[in-house]
Amino acid sequence: AQTVTQSQPEMSVQEAETVTLSCTYDTSESDYYLFWYKQPPSRQMILVIRQEAYKQQNATENRFSVNFQKAAKSFSLKISDSQLGDAAMYFCAYRSPSGGSNYKLTFGKGTLLTVNP
Amino acid sequence: ETGVTQSPTHLIKTRGQQVTLRCSSQSGHNTVSWYQQALGQGPQFIFQYYREEENGRGNFPPRFSGLQFPNYSSELNVNALELDDSALYLCASSLEQRGVPTDTQYFGPGTRLTVL
Repeated sequence: AQTVTQSQPEMSVQEAETVTLSCTYDTSESDYYLFWYKQPPSRQMILVIRQEAYKQQNATENRFSVNFQKAAKSFSLKISDSQLGDAAMYFCAYRSPSGGSNYKLTFGKGTLLTVNP
Repeated sequence: ETGVTQSPTHLIKTRGQQVTLRCSSQSGHNTVSWYQQALGQGPQFIFQYYREEENGRGNFPPRFSGLQFPNYSSELNVNALELDDSALYLCASSLEQRGVPTDTQYFGPGTRLTVL
């Protein structure tokens, strides 16, 4: 079974600075998908960024980028130029490829990010 | 494009009662997944429906059951409620096709269930 570990229960960053959230996972599969979701106090789980394991290039979405290290099974999220609106719980999630298995997401326990003005 | 919606927003029940939570998928999506999120934890997979059939189940007892309708909306039913069922229940929809690279799951705002 796949597991996802987020070793930082809480992180804080100053506004306009950069912060990196860590995620490691365990799997025996060679092809899979990784996601970072953001959950603000409003509870809505919002997709931040997605990475396909077969792609060597790290995904980027505006101020958000990942460092995907497949051999190390590591998937960290970097937030540049942090904004007050980035404050939220961040979840790393793993998903098996389609075909044969269901489409469930396996989540880590989350990292609470605080952005200080 | 309409996003994923859930109802009700909040619900209070007593132990032993039954509850039905509802989810309306994003337009064009054929798959619905349900997750339970206890306070301070990551979401845990309950089950998933793909084209109206159950397509996998997590480690939840049979008193957690579900349905997916032809319009791809979905219900989560929980019988014989226990105190530990108190949680945020999230549904997520996606468009899945066998053998095609996976799509992203889009989440609804959740239903907060409190069991007294």
